Amino acid sequence: GIQVEQSPPDLILQEGANSTLRCNFSDSVNNLQWFHQNPWGQLINLFYIPSGTKQNGRLSATTVATERYSLLYISSSQTTDSGVYFCAVGTTSGTYKYIFGTGTRLKVLA
Amino acid sequence: KAGVTQTPRYLIKTRGQQVTLSCSPISGHRSVSWYQQTPGQGLQFLFEYFSETQRNKGNFPGRFSGRQFSNSRSEMNVSTLELGDSALYLCASSLGGGSYGYTFGSGTRLTVV
Repeated sequence: GIQVEQSPPDLILQEGANSTLRCNFSDSVNNLQWFHQNPWGQLINLFYIPSGTKQNGRLSATTVATERYSLLYISSSQTTDSGVYFCAVGTTSGTYKYIFGTGTRLKVLA
Repeated sequence: KAGVTQTPRYLIKTRGQQVTLSCSPISGHRSVSWYQQTPGQGLQFLFEYFSETQRNKGNFPGRFSGRQFSNSRSEMNVSTLELGDSALYLCASSLGGGSYGYTFGSGTRLTVV
């Protein structure tokens, strides 16, 4: 089955720094989402981005489907950005499920 | 617009018991998926329902089952609980099964003692 790898696994930043999180996937996908898991466990949708580039405030994401990767950019990080970021992909076989990466754990220090 | 509602938020059960978790999707969403999250295995797909039909099932034992009602609300049931079933169970809803993305609920944290 499809493999989803995220890097780096852990990241520590000072408040105000920028960062790039990467998601590589091993097969063609038709869906891709980035999520932020808050301390209470809820997965908060950041971007639905099977291809192209999107921006939302300090966050932006780019997916290059032909090269099988997606990037999440966080600029001017804040302590509230701390948590785990997951990339999830859906394959083209129509199996109606997401395969999640192992996540990037981000800690932003004040 | 109300989000995805999962109940209960927390549960403590004893080994051998059974448990039922509930998920109400976003109004108008007909697809409901369930995921299990554990520290060791990460986020794993359990099953997906659309218009009361299970369209896909993950690699979990038969003790894990689910159903969807005509109003799109879904329940999942775990029978004969084992310690390893302790996890965060997340429900997600979608318009049509992922083509427009998924919205997740807050989860049910199950502890089996």
